[in-house]
Amino acid sequence: QAVVTQEPSLTVSPGGTVTLTCGSTTGPVTSGNYPYWFQQKPGQAPRTLIYDTTNRHSWTPARFSGSLLGDKAALTLSGAQPEDEAEYYCFLSYSGGRWVFGGGTKLTVL
Amino acid sequence: QVQLVESGGGVVQPGRSLRLSCAASGFTFRSYGMNWVRQAPGKGLEWLAVIWYDGSDKYYADSVKGRFTISRDNTKNTLFLQMNSLRPEDTGIYYCARSWIKYSGFADWGQGTLVTVSS
Repeated sequence: QAVVTQEPSLTVSPGGTVTLTCGSTTGPVTSGNYPYWFQQKPGQAPRTLIYDTTNRHSWTPARFSGSLLGDKAALTLSGAQPEDEAEYYCFLSYSGGRWVFGGGTKLTVL
Repeated sequence: QVQLVESGGGVVQPGRSLRLSCAASGFTFRSYGMNWVRQAPGKGLEWLAVIWYDGSDKYYADSVKGRFTISRDNTKNTLFLQMNSLRPEDTGIYYCARSWIKYSGFADWGQGTLVTVSS
């Protein structure tokens, strides 16, 4: 059973840059895992930010970017805003029809 | 604009059944895959099930396989989740989410419906 790993918490200064990562206990994360990134603020539904590693949806601010970094997927926030304080979830696809969320990263903008 | 509205949540006793619905509007429902995702109180997101745009393929998380069934009615623009043999650990907010393609994937999300399994 694959486990998707994320940093439990990170802090970034307003205007700063931070990178969140997403790993897998089964091995390196690749584009074949079609990594997704979601943002969720307290009391709200999740919002899809990034799909298939690097692609933004039309509503995703340009300051968010997705990539592969070493053996992990990564979400980089450049120029953090106070409204970016939220929980961020990674999501990976595995062969055999399995999809798994990471445990989430609580991002504080302080 | 895209709207996804879940309904059917509530309080149910362990072992009983519940059927959730997700009414879709603002897009061509029959052209997109659809998902169910849940979130236990104070916990993270858990993917539950996905159904292809035409209903031809369905996949489930191990935690609900054999108990939950995802289905869709493309004539009524509605997604369903039939939940049987409910357990206290099934308690949470249930979200439906649209894919951006015919198959698995994520774009838009509904606001969720709360299911509480308790005696």
